[in-house]
Amino acid sequence: AQTVTQSQPEMSVQEAETVTLSCTYDTSESDYYLFWYKQPPSRQMILVIRQEAYKQQNATENRFSVNFQKAAKSFSLKISDSQLGDAAMYFCAYRSAQGGSEKLVFGKGTKLTVNP
Amino acid sequence: KAGVTQTPRYLIKTRGQQVTLSCSPISGHRSVSWYQQTPGQGLQFLFEYFSETQRNKGNFPGRFSGRQFSNSRSEMNVSTLELGDSALYLCASSLAGQGTKGAFFGQGTRLTVV
Repeated sequence: AQTVTQSQPEMSVQEAETVTLSCTYDTSESDYYLFWYKQPPSRQMILVIRQEAYKQQNATENRFSVNFQKAAKSFSLKISDSQLGDAAMYFCAYRSAQGGSEKLVFGKGTKLTVNP
Repeated sequence: KAGVTQTPRYLIKTRGQQVTLSCSPISGHRSVSWYQQTPGQGLQFLFEYFSETQRNKGNFPGRFSGRQFSNSRSEMNVSTLELGDSALYLCASSLAGQGTKGAFFGQGTRLTVV
């Protein structure tokens, strides 16, 4: 079974600064997808960024980028120019590319605080 | 496009009762998954439905069940409620076959069992 580990329960960053959230995963599969989700106090999970394992190029979405290291099974999220609205719980998630299931395996999450 | 809609937003039930939660996916999405979120266990996968068929199931007791209708709307049911069933229940819809698009979540149903 696949597992996802987020080793930082809490992180804080100053507004306009850069922060990196860590995620490692364990799988024996070679093809899969990885995601970062944001959950603000409103509780709705919002998809931040996604990465296909077969792509070597790291995904980027505006101020959000990832560092995907397949051999190390690492998938970190970098938030540049942090804004107050980035404060939320961030979850790393894994989805197998086999079998067609949309099942996501989540890490425990990292609570990000943005200080003005 | 409208997002994923979950109803009701909040529920308070008594131990032993049963409850039904509803999820309307994004138009055109055929896969609906359910997750339970608690402070202790985090986000745990309950089950996934695709074209009215359960495609995958998590490690939950048989008191947890679900179904999907022909319009892709889904319901989950929890019978004989226990205090430990208090949680945020999240529904996610996906455009199955387009895995890289990711899953889109509703705002959840907060269930409190007293």
